[in-house]
Amino acid sequence: GAGVSQSPSNKVTEKGKDVELRCDPISGHTALYWYRQRLGQGLEFLIYFQGNSAPDKSGLPSDRFSAERTGESVSTLTIQRTQQEDSAVYLCASSLTSGSDEQFFGPGTRLTVL
Amino acid sequence: GEDVEQSLFLSVREGDSSVINCTYTDSSSTYLYWYKQEPGAGLQLLTYIFSNMDMKQDQRLTVLLNKKDKHLSLRIADTQTGDSAIYFCAESPLFSGGYNKLIFGAGTRLAVHP
Repeated sequence: GAGVSQSPSNKVTEKGKDVELRCDPISGHTALYWYRQRLGQGLEFLIYFQGNSAPDKSGLPSDRFSAERTGESVSTLTIQRTQQEDSAVYLCASSLTSGSDEQFFGPGTRLTVL
Repeated sequence: GEDVEQSLFLSVREGDSSVINCTYTDSSSTYLYWYKQEPGAGLQLLTYIFSNMDMKQDQRLTVLLNKKDKHLSLRIADTQTGDSAIYFCAESPLFSGGYNKLIFGAGTRLAVHP
């Protein structure tokens, strides 16, 4: 079946604009994770969804970042008033459950803030 | 605190063995993972090891875990050019709620040359 998909694959925006990044997890996966990967660095955890609720938002860097998930499927990560330091690849992953199941990663959205 | 460290770069000759090292800090981690990231692609789970194991072998891959020193290594036998990628070590500390929040290292870039 299809893997995790993300859109857009690339996004270039101007400082101060809002952006929305989309993640379509594997069908039937209840757990969904967002990570950020800055250039030359590892992945930083942002937020975790179990179903449509987000028990852990501890990784969101500021109140400009928010995320939602609807229908236990699609998730959207929104960054308001983007800053240059938001430039990174944003990766989404899903797993069948929230336990130790393997996380399957999407290809990511590369965000560049000018 | 949570910190996973890896060397940033490794260069090997085709046919030789590659050894990528990682140190982690959280002794509560139940699983330790190796992910592979090829250019423009998402992360792919290569292998993982449960914390009560010392070694795991999977075809050309051997994972060694020294829990006392919190040291993890990935050995790739007979390294091929297709193994060129960034390799991420990740730990999964125990959190209340029992979900699989991954803490990643910065990644080791493996370059395989003829």
